Amino acid sequence: RKEVEQDPGPFNVPEGATVAFNCTYSNSASQSFFWYRQDCRKEPKLLMSVYSSGNEDGRFTAQLNRASQYISLLIRDSKLSDSATYLCVVKGNSGYALNFGKGTSLLVTP
Amino acid sequence: GAVVSQHPSRVICKSGTSVKIECRSLDFQATTMFWYRQFPKQSLMLMATSNEGSKATYEQGVEKDKFLINHASLTLSTLTVTSAHPEDSSFYICSARDSAQGNYGYTFGSGTRLTVV
Repeated sequence: RKEVEQDPGPFNVPEGATVAFNCTYSNSASQSFFWYRQDCRKEPKLLMSVYSSGNEDGRFTAQLNRASQYISLLIRDSKLSDSATYLCVVKGNSGYALNFGKGTSLLVTP
Repeated sequence: GAVVSQHPSRVICKSGTSVKIECRSLDFQATTMFWYRQFPKQSLMLMATSNEGSKATYEQGVEKDKFLINHASLTLSTLTVTSAHPEDSSFYICSARDSAQGNYGYTFGSGTRLTVV
């Protein structure tokens, strides 16, 4: 079983739509959680960290459910520029390495 | 913000040759650097973790004699793919951790696209 699993995607949505991505992780001792964004053939870039109480950054809202080992990302009012692959990332309780999900591809269309 | 320079960005080499990839933190000291590999439509897979001045820790299934990692200074780590074969063709990305920044201290290089012909 992979350590971090995500919705397979791809998600094709019109501009202005709301879209949600889900992610589960297998290591219950995981300490930190993130969403990264990766554009085609580029390096991943941190979108936001995910906190237990849930957190929001503009149009982006992240939620964490430790009991279910589940993470989500909600994007409101999608923009064309949101088109990318969204990576769910988990850091374990030992070492500092980040574990990446396979990513979910989002395409926002006019 | 923190910057990690990785080069070359793209390399094509012949089968059997070796390729060196450099990863350099430009404005911070990175006690730990990570090397990842990403095949098309796949996730970034951690290959190894390198700590300055010590031997790298390789993930299961990654051949340490094939993927040589050197982290001789706090700002430079190198990955050498020895005797490259077509199946080594992939996108290699380094990440440097700035321990002073906690969870926000991970900065990625721009990646190296390796094609072995």
